[in-house]
Amino acid sequence: DSGVTQTPKHLITATGQRVTLRCSPRSGDLSVYWYQQSLDQGLQFLIQYYNGEERAKGNILERFSAQQFPDLHSELNLSSLELGDSALYFCASSVGQGAFTDTQYFGPGTRLTVL
Amino acid sequence: AQKITQTQPGMFVQEKEAVTLDCTYDTSDQSYGLFWYKQPSSGEMIFLIYQGSYDEQNATEGRYSLNFQKARKSANLVISASQLGDSAMYFCAMEGFGNEKLTFGTGTRLTIIP
Repeated sequence: DSGVTQTPKHLITATGQRVTLRCSPRSGDLSVYWYQQSLDQGLQFLIQYYNGEERAKGNILERFSAQQFPDLHSELNLSSLELGDSALYFCASSVGQGAFTDTQYFGPGTRLTVL
Repeated sequence: AQKITQTQPGMFVQEKEAVTLDCTYDTSDQSYGLFWYKQPSSGEMIFLIYQGSYDEQNATEGRYSLNFQKARKSANLVISASQLGDSAMYFCAMEGFGNEKLTFGTGTRLTIIP
């Protein structure tokens, strides 16, 4: 158990809908990262928050947004869902801002299926 | 830009044998970290081992060791005395200086045969 929690574990929804994925980092970690794992794209970095502020942005679609709250939990919002958004979404956390010496610990993931 | 290459899509290894999973990387950064993660069929990503670019010694964590050859830009994972529970996907990843994201390879699916 990495100490990172994600809810829900599974999510099934329809095209055009909006969903929210939730993540709680390990105790003491200030950074939260979101990744998407799909068969065609592999593991892709979406976005990072550090202590409530957006720190880095990757291949995140405009239909997706995220935030980190004062208690450091984070939410990833996916809207106007398309079939291609079906994937495993991971949250990871690390102690610092993301220096290359910081290990990122991953949560169990949320498997999103868009029908 | 950073790139990770894992050239072995799948490997079959006899139980109790040692196995080496290949990873080469490309970066222009002088400072970077290399990571290996394990993803069992249940889906979670489990951190295994870390090697910093300035570390002179190869990293070891229990049965896992990282064969780091900086000049060749390779960071191979060695698993000693493989066990059935080692069957999983293994991902090599890197993070550069000032580049907060992990860049992952395509992974190697390891199957341990009893």
